Amino acid sequence: EADIYQTPRYLVIGTGKKITLECSQTMGHDKMYWYQQDPGMELHLIHYSYGVNSTEKGDLSSESTVSRIRTEHFPLTLESARPSHTSQYLCASSEGQGGNQPQHFGDGTRLSIL
Amino acid sequence: KNQVEQSPQSLIILEGKNCTLQCNYTVSPFSNLRWYKQDTGRGPVSLTIMTFSENTKSNGRYTATLDADTKQSSLHITASQLSDSASYICVVSDRGSTLGRLYFGRGTQLTVWP
Repeated sequence: EADIYQTPRYLVIGTGKKITLECSQTMGHDKMYWYQQDPGMELHLIHYSYGVNSTEKGDLSSESTVSRIRTEHFPLTLESARPSHTSQYLCASSEGQGGNQPQHFGDGTRLSIL
Repeated sequence: KNQVEQSPQSLIILEGKNCTLQCNYTVSPFSNLRWYKQDTGRGPVSLTIMTFSENTKSNGRYTATLDADTKQSSLHITASQLSDSASYICVVSDRGSTLGRLYFGRGTQLTVWP
C-alpha cells in the first residue's frame, strides 16, 4: 500500500486567502506530481519534480507554485485564491525514470473557494 | 494530438454480472498502458500495466487486454461486487520524454447495484 498523504482533505475558504496544500510521502520516491481533477474530467498535470530543488510546470497552466526542499515533502501554494481555483488537487509520487513505474496517489484535497 | 478516449462514460450493472470497459488511444510512441481504479473521494490506484508486447494481464477479477496494432485496450471485470463501484481510468505513457508523459482518459463510472 502506498504511503502518500495529503492535508487537508477538504478546504472551504474565501477569495484572496493564501492557501498551502500539503503532500508527503514516506517511500523515498524522487519524482512527485500535482494534478488537478474536475468532476467527470481527466487528470491534468500542473507541477512535477524530479527531486530536491527541482520543480517544473506541467501541461495545465496554473497560478499555483510548488517547492521541493525535502524529498518527502511537495507542498502546493496559492498566493491569492479565486473561485476559479475550486477543484480537486491530487498529489502523486513514483520511483525511477519514465512512465514504467506506477504513480502512487494521495486521496486528494477538495478545494472550494467562495 | 495524443488522446485517450474511454467508453462508456458510465455503466450500471447488477452484482455478480460481468462487464467490459473500453479504451482507445492515439498516443505515440507508445510505452505502456495502465488501468487505475478511483474510489469516490480517494486517489487512483493502479490495477494493471501492459507494455507493447503484452496483450493480456490479470489481477484477480480484473483482466486487461491490449491490441497495440489497433491501439485499443479493454478492462473486463468478472463477477462484479459492490466494492467495484468506482471510476476506472485508462492511462497511456509515451516514450518521447524522460518524464514518460502520462495521458489520462476521463474514466468510466461503474456502479454495481445489489
